[in-house]
Amino acid sequence: DAGVIQSPRHEVTEMGQEVTLRCKPISGHDYLFWYRQTMMRGLELLIYFNNNVPIDDSGMPEDRFSAKMPNASFSTLKIQPSEPRDSAVYFCASSRDSFRQFFGPGTRLTVL
Amino acid sequence: AQSVAQPEDQVNVAEGNPLTVKCTYSVSGNPYLFWYVQYPNRGLQFLLKYITGDNLVKGSYGFEAEFNKSQTSFHLKKPSALVSDSALYFCAVRDMSGATNKLIFGTGTLLAVQP
Repeated sequence: DAGVIQSPRHEVTEMGQEVTLRCKPISGHDYLFWYRQTMMRGLELLIYFNNNVPIDDSGMPEDRFSAKMPNASFSTLKIQPSEPRDSAVYFCASSRDSFRQFFGPGTRLTVL
Repeated sequence: AQSVAQPEDQVNVAEGNPLTVKCTYSVSGNPYLFWYVQYPNRGLQFLLKYITGDNLVKGSYGFEAEFNKSQTSFHLKKPSALVSDSALYFCAVRDMSGATNKLIFGTGTLLAVQP
């Protein structure tokens, strides 16, 4: 089992640019979570999906952020336009039961 | 509101000594409690969970946690610390509000084990 796969692992972009983060969950996992981690705010849940349907997006900071899950094996988190305060490590996690979550290696985003 | 608190930002312990990482919770109803560990430049990894049953839960890498309902605590313990245990540890509780299946994570405790 390859685990949760995230790409890219590192992303450096300039303010105002569009950023797309990608995630491939573990096969058979019905839940997918997007988190953001920073020193200041810790670990924040942005949004989670169950069976490809967004269930709770209350953690999405603003309209600049959007997430999709077009099928069971792929999800994207998009930031448009990006801002320096979006700099963080973004994690994707998947789970069968929503509690024992398997995290990907993360994408370190730097917005200049 | 559901929440967990990790009162210590950092815990220092010498290798071979017992370690404790503290967690207290506030939930309505019976809690589902979890511990996760994050090694440098990695995602979080599940360590153990308490849902029901024995108050002492055993998990990965020799860790265990004790559920104490009267003190609303779920402290993580290990009898003998290893340098390789140095990492960031997160306590989490299931969000019992509404029809949600998400976890509420604490702020994390950095464990530093000195050789």
